[in-house]
Amino acid sequence: DAKTTQPPSMDCAEGRAANLPCNHSTISGNEYVYWYRQIHSQGPQYIIHGLKNNETNEMASLIITEDRKSSTLILPHATLRDTAVYYCIVRVPGTASKLTFGTGTRLQVTL
Amino acid sequence: DAGVTQSPTHLIKTRGQQVTLRCSPISGHKSVSWYQQVLGQGPQFIFQYYEKEERGRGNFPDRFSARQFPNYSSELNVNALLLGDSALYLCASSLGGTGNYGYTFGSGTRLTVV
Repeated sequence: DAKTTQPPSMDCAEGRAANLPCNHSTISGNEYVYWYRQIHSQGPQYIIHGLKNNETNEMASLIITEDRKSSTLILPHATLRDTAVYYCIVRVPGTASKLTFGTGTRLQVTL
Repeated sequence: DAGVTQSPTHLIKTRGQQVTLRCSPISGHKSVSWYQQVLGQGPQFIFQYYEKEERGRGNFPDRFSARQFPNYSSELNVNALLLGDSALYLCASSLGGTGNYGYTFGSGTRLTVV
């Protein structure tokens, strides 16, 4: 699985958009980009995934660059409950491969 | 529907002892994975089971073992506990197979070795 690079921490004001970047410059053609988040003392929670097109669901939007070497997770209107560690993971789906978590980005949403 | 259920939620063991952690996947999910998360780090993959067979193993010593039962629940066993085994142990379930299935995690078992 390709390695990802994320900033260790970010701050965001409540109600504003939170844009979390991820670099995956060695991603291969069949690897998807997944985002999970982990709120303190809970298990990771799936947010969104994509291959090369931008994706949106009820939680977030995922923007993947045309060369697929980086992506951005967007939380359009961050709330205090979005404070968590966000993990960007790349992997080939449908195999027995694991989720390889890095250290993630700690997002702090403030009033 | 119930989510992924793990038991116990907390556990304190002494060095050298053995521990068994349990996981019940979401109904209909046939794959269970185990992860270890030490303080300040992301979860690290230990095992994956699908249809009762081991499909993946992470870089953990042989003191760690697991199995999956016919009802798809799973147990993780750790023998000869070390202080460094203190961590949050997470179970994740998925439909499994060859599709692009997501993983649903339980809340974990927090193991403290003293």
